Amino acid sequence: EPEVTQTPSHQVTQMGQEVILRCVPISNHLYFYWYRQILGQKVEFLVSFYNNEISEKSEIFDDQFSVERPDGSNFTLKIRSTKLEDSAMYFCASMLDPINGELFFGEGSRLTVL
Amino acid sequence: GNSVTQMEGPVTLSEEAFLTINCTYTATGYPSLFWYVQYPGEGLQLLLKATKADDKGSNKGFEATYRKETTSFHLEKGSVQVSDSAVYFCAPGNAGGTSYGKLTFGQGTILTVHP
Repeated sequence: EPEVTQTPSHQVTQMGQEVILRCVPISNHLYFYWYRQILGQKVEFLVSFYNNEISEKSEIFDDQFSVERPDGSNFTLKIRSTKLEDSAMYFCASMLDPINGELFFGEGSRLTVL
Repeated sequence: GNSVTQMEGPVTLSEEAFLTINCTYTATGYPSLFWYVQYPGEGLQLLLKATKADDKGSNKGFEATYRKETTSFHLEKGSVQVSDSAVYFCAPGNAGGTSYGKLTFGQGTILTVHP
């Protein structure tokens, strides 16, 4: 069964460092998303991406964050200068079309900022 | 924006017990409603969904009915199994426009089922 894959599963970094989280969405899907979950808190929407541009972003998604689909298969989330409060589980998701409405999630990348 | 109030856990049940996890929401318009499940060590998986009022979503013995009048989408299962132990998330979507796939998640309910 097709699935969304994310790498790395866990990354530890120092505050101020750049981090890139990678995702390979399901191949025929058209809509891509990043969500995050801080430990013990809700899963929160970060950003949606369609047709090679950001469709919508939340207040969390400030200038330190960026997304890219560099090669038609990978979908990346970059955090330019990590802060302690960026420590969270980051989930990538993809969707084929809005009529179906089903999001397919990856297993998540755990980011720990020290 | 949307908001969700989900029954707090953890919920601990014996096998074959009846399960209800309450979920109420506030939203603009009439969004699709989803329940997602997260098994230990795995990502979020869609459990069931309902797209309009009075629709009943069902899967793996779980059911939830879209109640527009009470803005609720309670999850039920008549007889739980140990393998149902997981975290359950209620999530209304957006009613349309460009916000497809933008879900508002509840805080999650941890369910543990004992043999």
